Amino acid sequence: GDSVTQMEGPVTLSEEAFLTINCTYTATGYPSLFWYVQYPGEGLQLLLKATKADDKGSNKGFEATYRKETTSFHLEKGSVQVSDSAVYFCARSAGNNRKLIWGLGTSLAVNP
Amino acid sequence: NAGVTQTPKFQVLKTGQSMTLQCAQDMNHNSMYWYRQDPGMGLRLIYYSASEGTTDKGEVPNGYNVSRLNKREFSLRLESAAPSQTSVYFCASRERWNTEAFFGQGTRLTVV
Repeated sequence: GDSVTQMEGPVTLSEEAFLTINCTYTATGYPSLFWYVQYPGEGLQLLLKATKADDKGSNKGFEATYRKETTSFHLEKGSVQVSDSAVYFCARSAGNNRKLIWGLGTSLAVNP
Repeated sequence: NAGVTQTPKFQVLKTGQSMTLQCAQDMNHNSMYWYRQDPGMGLRLIYYSASEGTTDKGEVPNGYNVSRLNKREFSLRLESAAPSQTSVYFCASRERWNTEAFFGQGTRLTVV
């Protein structure tokens, strides 16, 4: 069935380090792909999205490219800040059944 | 815009008590969802409503019921709370099958 797999955390980085969080998905149909962020004690917020192959989503210095050939949507940021400490979720749309398919989340801690 | 509003934000129940979690969205979205979030488990779908007048079970529906009262409101009811239902509950809504979801701030429920 449809699934999303993202790298396990926790990920711990120093401020200004480069971030990559891997996400792969099953290739049923032509899903839209999303990255969400959850700050401590809050709900999930959309970070970025891509709706078709080769699209690049970007927001707040984060980027992810929809790679159909590798069924991937890896999240990257060139220089992380302490304020980026959060849990990041990768998700894909799941066709006409109206659900979203979620990865398990990756916790990121950025140290000053 | 308020977006997705959940009430209450915090609740403590005794085993066997009942309660209803309320959710309302003001974005005229068709689809609404209830998730629970537990440590290490990611987001698990309890129930969803693809459109007004329809509801469907998700991954973990046992012990819960839902009502799509109108297009704006989607409530989640625990008829007889159990300690295993201690969790953070999130309501979300989406416009269409391939668009992003918008989340409420969550309800932190403890069953003792």
